[in-house]
Amino acid sequence: SQKIEQNSEALNIQEGKTATLTCNYTNYSPAYLQWYRQDPGRGPVFLLLIRENEKEKRKERLKVTFDTTLKQSLFHITASQPADSATYLCALDGGSYIPTFGRGTSLIVHP
Amino acid sequence: DAGVTQSPTHLIKTRGQQVTLRCSPKSGHDTVSWYQQALGQGPQFIFQYYEEEERQRGNFPDRFSGHQFPNYSSELNVNALLLGDSALYLCASSTLRVNNEKLFFGSGTQLSVL
Repeated sequence: SQKIEQNSEALNIQEGKTATLTCNYTNYSPAYLQWYRQDPGRGPVFLLLIRENEKEKRKERLKVTFDTTLKQSLFHITASQPADSATYLCALDGGSYIPTFGRGTSLIVHP
Repeated sequence: DAGVTQSPTHLIKTRGQQVTLRCSPKSGHDTVSWYQQALGQGPQFIFQYYEEEERQRGNFPDRFSGHQFPNYSSELNVNALLLGDSALYLCASSTLRVNNEKLFFGSGTQLSVL
């Protein structure tokens, strides 16, 4: 069955460091992959989308990579700040415009 | 420009009752998707509405039903509530008309079933 795996353990880092979050998937052929940020009690907020034929995408301090051979995406936040503390969700879509979400990884940035 | 709005924000019901949740999509959006998010889990797809029709449905029982109105707003109805229905219910809007993959979420309705 299709599976999306994100680290269930929280990632703790120091302010100013680069945070790297991982999204692995199996039994899936995504047309694109998205990353969302979710704060407690709020809905997810779209951050970045990367398509199957793209290797890397950047937006300000954010960078996402997509390796369809490894079936993995990495999400990087450079120069992290305490305000970046949140849960980050990976979502895959095979082209139906209905993404399937992972359970998310909690990021905690310490001042 | 108002984003996606959901009502109510919180709701407490007892087992066996019925509930209706409401969603107004972002201006210019024509598609509404509903997701259920249990504590510590990712959002799970319930169904999607486009042009007032259910376009696709996730793995949820028939107790979950919905509707989309001509103004693109939507309702989610859950009958015969179970304790396991307690979750954050998220509405997301998008624009299928222009093949836009990005979802815009509301803040959700927190449903507690006692």
